[in-house]
Amino acid sequence: GAVVSQHPSWVICKSGTSVKIECRSLDFQATTMFWYRQFPKQSLMLMATSNEGSKATYEQGVEKDKFLINHASLTLSTLTVTSAHPEDSSFYICSAITGTSVSYEQYFGPGTRLTVT
Amino acid sequence: AQKVTQAQTEISVVEKEDVTLDCVYETRDTTYYLFWYKQPPSGELVFLIRRNSFDEQNEISGRYSWNFQKSTSSFNFTITASQVVDSAVYFCALSPPMEYGNKLVFGAGTILRVKS
Repeated sequence: GAVVSQHPSWVICKSGTSVKIECRSLDFQATTMFWYRQFPKQSLMLMATSNEGSKATYEQGVEKDKFLINHASLTLSTLTVTSAHPEDSSFYICSAITGTSVSYEQYFGPGTRLTVT
Repeated sequence: AQKVTQAQTEISVVEKEDVTLDCVYETRDTTYYLFWYKQPPSGELVFLIRRNSFDEQNEISGRYSWNFQKSTSSFNFTITASQVVDSAVYFCALSPPMEYGNKLVFGAGTILRVKS
């Protein structure tokens, strides 16, 4: 099946710094990618929908200025957590869509664990 | 609004027991998709099944089976003869029609612990 990678797989950063997480579709082109956040022992919550060549669509309650999403190509979307704080520590998971409106598949990346100290 | 409820927070069974994970959903869409994912301790989501709202046939895949009942808005997942490797968090999820995007709404998840 198709593969979605994320880099880095884990990162520790100091409070106030910015962190960039990459999501790549390795063997297919993805016009749409999604970013989810999962706090410990909780479910996945959609943060934003990332469309290639256009601005991301953020879910209600997600600060677009804090979580910058760029989808510059059909195989790469990036999530930048700006001025990270300990409460941003979480597991960030991306997914990518391939296919048509009739038949599509969604593939998830392995996730990136962010710890802000 | 769409909502997925997994009432069972945690289930513990002994190996070889059968176990059913419950999933109840809410949606106003007539067309939608239902999913089950497995999340082992590594964190990576493993896709198990996708079912569209027009296909109410039950499905069996090895030790896994799914029971979809639109009348009760349920999409339950049964593992037969459970194994220790089945220990994970299982998420049920709901997605609207393609034209409204493929955003997944996840349930809270059920932690399954299979003891040897």
